[in-house]
Amino acid sequence: ETGVTQSPTHLIKTRGQQVTLRCSSQSGHNTVSWYQQALGQGPQFIFQYYREEENGRGNVPPRFSGLQFPNYSSELNVNALELDDSALYLCASSKEPTGNEQFFGPGTRLTVL
Amino acid sequence: KQEVTQIPAALSVPEGENLVLNCSFTDSAIYNLQWFRQDPGKGLTSLLLIQSSQREQTSGRLNASLDKSSGRSTLYIAASQPGDSATYLCAAQNTGNQFYFGTGTSLTVIP
Repeated sequence: ETGVTQSPTHLIKTRGQQVTLRCSSQSGHNTVSWYQQALGQGPQFIFQYYREEENGRGNVPPRFSGLQFPNYSSELNVNALELDDSALYLCASSKEPTGNEQFFGPGTRLTVL
Repeated sequence: KQEVTQIPAALSVPEGENLVLNCSFTDSAIYNLQWFRQDPGKGLTSLLLIQSSQREQTSGRLNASLDKSSGRSTLYIAASQPGDSATYLCAAQNTGNQFYFGTGTSLTVIP
């Protein structure tokens, strides 16, 4: 059974640029959630995708958007990058949106200069 | 809005000691609570998931309890080992499907 994978591992961008992060969910999982983790903090919920639809969104600006594909993999897009967007971006997959164990990928470290 | 707190922020114990990590949450209307460990710069590894209808879950040397009425969960680690050194995070899932995380307890087990 393949676990959750994320790409790329590290990324460096400059302010104002756009970035796309990718996540492949664990086999048999139809739900992907994205989190942003600043240094020394707990992960903060960005949004969740369930069967290709957004199924919950945290307190994040509209420049954060996402997609889920028919194979349940997902993308996180961030436009007009700001310095404060520098963080570890984590995705987690689960069998269903509610009441199920979440399994996390290794994360993408984004640095905005 | 759910708020999750973990105390202490850091803990250092000698190898072999039993220890308890604490997690408190403000909204008791949770679906479940999940404990994770995180090694520096890495993703989260799931340790235990407790459903709202359960009181505790066990896996090896780990035991997690849940008391919804008091808004508390504890993670008990028996016979600690240096390999247990990591940051431990708890997360509560409420309506809206999101998990709310604490800021973690950084554990160091001294050989």
